[in-house]
Amino acid sequence: ILNVEQSPQSLHVQEGDSTNFTCSFPSSNFYALHWYRWETAKSPEALFVMTLNGDEKKKGRISATLNTKEGYSYLYIKGSQPEDSATYLCAFSTGGGNKLTFGTGTQLKVEL
Amino acid sequence: SAVISQKPSRDICQRGTSLTIQCQVDSQVTMMFWYRQQPGQSLTLIATANQGSEATYESGFVIDKFPISRPNLTFSTLTVSNMSPEDSSIYLCSVGLLGSHEQYFGPGTRLTVT
Repeated sequence: ILNVEQSPQSLHVQEGDSTNFTCSFPSSNFYALHWYRWETAKSPEALFVMTLNGDEKKKGRISATLNTKEGYSYLYIKGSQPEDSATYLCAFSTGGGNKLTFGTGTQLKVEL
Repeated sequence: SAVISQKPSRDICQRGTSLTIQCQVDSQVTMMFWYRQQPGQSLTLIATANQGSEATYESGFVIDKFPISRPNLTFSTLTVSNMSPEDSSIYLCSVGLLGSHEQYFGPGTRLTVT
């Protein structure tokens, strides 16, 4: 059984704060690590896909790192804005890479 | 990328009935998947929808409960049969593009069974 753990479960921050979330996954048979942002009533939006140990990806104020040897990834948001409020999901795939195993997500609320 | 639509966006159904959810993609895709998210749980893969052949189900999911059709490379349906309140979930379809690690998701169907 593959378990993907995310922490914290939820987070309230003030506008302008920087924050980060953790995703832990099994380090054996690793293929790829995905981060998604999911707003209510919308499609989960793909943020990053990372495959190599040490990968760092950045999109605007959001960045992510990957450590496949110890089985964790961090997602960072710099200068949080209210529009960043969403659930952030990570998902792990093995082998051929088609099947994603998701964590339960981190629910972020950014307040003015 | 791919643009995916789902119908219906939400429904409230009585126990014992069935609901068919449609997933339409704006381009031909090789891989289509169906997921569900029960309240408080993670997104869980139900099955891979195979074009022209029977779907491949994950452990804990069976064809009689979740029959899937995939008549072509842009469309699939998932039926939730003989529903019970435990089937109340968000159901999402996703697609994978050949040569890409990424999966793209539809907006989901929010199902409540009373």
